[in-house]
Amino acid sequence: QQQVKQSPQSLIVQKGGISIINCAYENTAFDYFPWYQQFPGKGPALLIAIRPDVSEKKEGRFTISFNKSAKQFSLHIMDSQPGDSATYFCAASTQGGSEKLVFGKGTKLTVNP
Amino acid sequence: DSGVTQTPKHLITATGQRVTLRCSPRSGDLSVYWYQQSLDQGLQFLIQYYNGEERAKGNILERFSAQQFPDLHSELNLSSLELGDSALYFCASSVARASGGRGDGELFFGEGSRLTVL
Repeated sequence: QQQVKQSPQSLIVQKGGISIINCAYENTAFDYFPWYQQFPGKGPALLIAIRPDVSEKKEGRFTISFNKSAKQFSLHIMDSQPGDSATYFCAASTQGGSEKLVFGKGTKLTVNP
Repeated sequence: DSGVTQTPKHLITATGQRVTLRCSPRSGDLSVYWYQQSLDQGLQFLIQYYNGEERAKGNILERFSAQQFPDLHSELNLSSLELGDSALYFCASSVARASGGRGDGELFFGEGSRLTVL
C-alpha cells in the first residue's frame, strides 16, 4: 500500500522552464512534508520541507505548494537548470519530523540545455 | 558530503548467505535510520535507532536485524538472502529529539551500499 503517490515518473523540461512534480496522500495525520533530491550515485538530500500550517514555502527557485483539503502538495522548480537534473522524492510523516518518513516513488527530472 | 559513511559500497553475494552493512552517522547525531531503495518499491523505511535503542520499525523483514553500538555506529544484518533483497541500502542520521519530543531534524543520507544477490 503506497501512502504517498507521486507523479509524473519522469519529466523532461527545457532550460529556463518550470518543472512541476505532484504528490497526493490519504493519511490526514501526516504533518511534515519534505522533498528530497537525489543525484546518481548519491544518497537523497533534503531540498525543502513544509508543515500543514502554511500553504506555500519558497526557497530560491524551489517552491512547495500545499493543499490540505485536497491532500496534495507539489514542488515547483522555476528557471530549471541542467544542474537540477536529478530524481526528486516527496515524503510525509506523522511525527512532525523525519521519523518513519514515507516516500513517494520518485520523479526523474531531466533539464535539457 | 553528508558526513554519513557507509561500507561496503558494493557487495555481491549468493542466495542463502548473510551480510552486514555498516554505517557511521554524522558527528553528534544520535539517531540512525536504515532505508531500502529498489526500482519497484522506491525508498522504504526499515528501522530507526536512537542512542543505542530501537525507536521505530518499518517494513523490515524478520530475516533482517540491526543494532546501534555505544559509539553510535550502526550495522544492518541481512540473512538467508533472496534474489529480491538486491537493492541499495541507505543509512541516514539526524539530530533526533529526545523521547517524547516531536520532529526529528532532516535526514542526512550516506551514499548507500549496493547489494546484489545472485
